[in-house]
Amino acid sequence: DQQVKQNSPSLSVQEGRISILNCDYTNSMFDYFLWYKKYPAEGPTFLISISSIKDKNEDGRFTVFLNKSAKHLSLHIVPSQPGDSAVYFCAASDLGNNNDMRFGAGTRLTVKP
Amino acid sequence: DAGVTQSPTHLIKTRGQQVTLRCSPKSGHDTVSWYQQALGQGPQFIFQYYEEEERQRGNFPDRFSGHQFPNYSSELNVNALLLGDSALYLCASSLELAYEQFFGPGTRLTVL
Repeated sequence: DQQVKQNSPSLSVQEGRISILNCDYTNSMFDYFLWYKKYPAEGPTFLISISSIKDKNEDGRFTVFLNKSAKHLSLHIVPSQPGDSAVYFCAASDLGNNNDMRFGAGTRLTVKP
Repeated sequence: DAGVTQSPTHLIKTRGQQVTLRCSPKSGHDTVSWYQQALGQGPQFIFQYYEEEERQRGNFPDRFSGHQFPNYSSELNVNALLLGDSALYLCASSLELAYEQFFGPGTRLTVL
């Protein structure tokens, strides 16, 4: 059951522009959402998270937006840098069951110099 | 401060064999989770260990089992290997009840 979906397998943007990565979920019990970044031959690295009580969380160049009614979240990277090129995974969990974190299939971001 | 470490890095087995993967959590972490990441997919939750007990389990058959030791390190065992078990196996550690998990580099298992 694909409870977390990232429908864009890849995204290519120019350096300095905005990157927007999208994620949809189906389980209304999810109330905590995370973004992970993964470079080749490395494990996923935590990037940013958001609780369902918020609709926005910002950390430097990274901002995550949550639209609970649409069951949609997005990660904005501004400005994009070549070092941001990686696979980005969206993940979700619920308060009472945080042990079971569900991941999307990932979006490969390429930032061109 | 060492992060999450996993061994071995790569492993090749044949169908029907058994395999053991190992994980040492980040210093100070007491909870270990295991994930399977097939090619082109996101990580799928296998199970989580806390206080040496399996606390939660994903949709994986009993061929997948684990263990956590008193020093919080963990093992993942897979019996009767199938071709479909070929994947990257990721270990993640965290503090109990913390959402943010720290991942190791993974073990690439190939079943021939």
